[in-house]
Amino acid sequence: KAGVTQTPRYLIKTRGQQVTLSCSPISGHRSVSWYQQTPGQGLQFLFEYFSETQRNKGNFPGRFSGRQFSNSRSEMNVSTLELGDSALYLCASSLALAGDPTGELFFGEGSRLTVL
Amino acid sequence: SQQGEEDPQALSIQEGENATMNCSYKTSINNLQWYRQNSGRGLVHLILIRSNEREKHSGRLRVTLDTSKKSSSLLITASRAADTASYFCATDGAAGNKLTFGGGTRVLVKP
Repeated sequence: KAGVTQTPRYLIKTRGQQVTLSCSPISGHRSVSWYQQTPGQGLQFLFEYFSETQRNKGNFPGRFSGRQFSNSRSEMNVSTLELGDSALYLCASSLALAGDPTGELFFGEGSRLTVL
Repeated sequence: SQQGEEDPQALSIQEGENATMNCSYKTSINNLQWYRQNSGRGLVHLILIRSNEREKHSGRLRVTLDTSKKSSSLLITASRAADTASYFCATDGAAGNKLTFGGGTRVLVKP
């Protein structure tokens, strides 16, 4: 069974640009979460989607957005990039159903974004 | 803000020794999980312990949970060089499929 796939793995952007990151979950997983990891702030929750609906959102500005498609694939977008958005963006999928406590998350290898 | 705080931040041991790291959290939980991350890679799930469990084992891993103290510990026995990684505890919140991660413990196992 294929794992969680994130593309692109590495990208470099300049301030003010926007970026779209993609995540393909494990087949059968309907929940997809996104996390930002930086040396200073650690791992921070961005948002979570289940069956195309955003169920939970972290404390990030509106420049960060996401969506989930009917095949459970997810994208996140960051507009008007700032230097501080440089980070490893991690996507995770899970089998958790609506209302279940959070179970095991399966992470992709991440997309490393550098903003110059 | 981070729910969990881990202690120590870094740990250096010799191969064959045991490694113990601790995690404290602030609010009530349904479960607590531990993950491993090799440098710059994705996280790998190690073990999940539910709030009504006190101890759990998986191979060379032993996890304890004390909900009265809001703390957990992860013990890796007979460590190997391949155990060199960062280890994170993560707690679930009251709603939704969301984990809050601690700052992590960097473990270096010297051969």
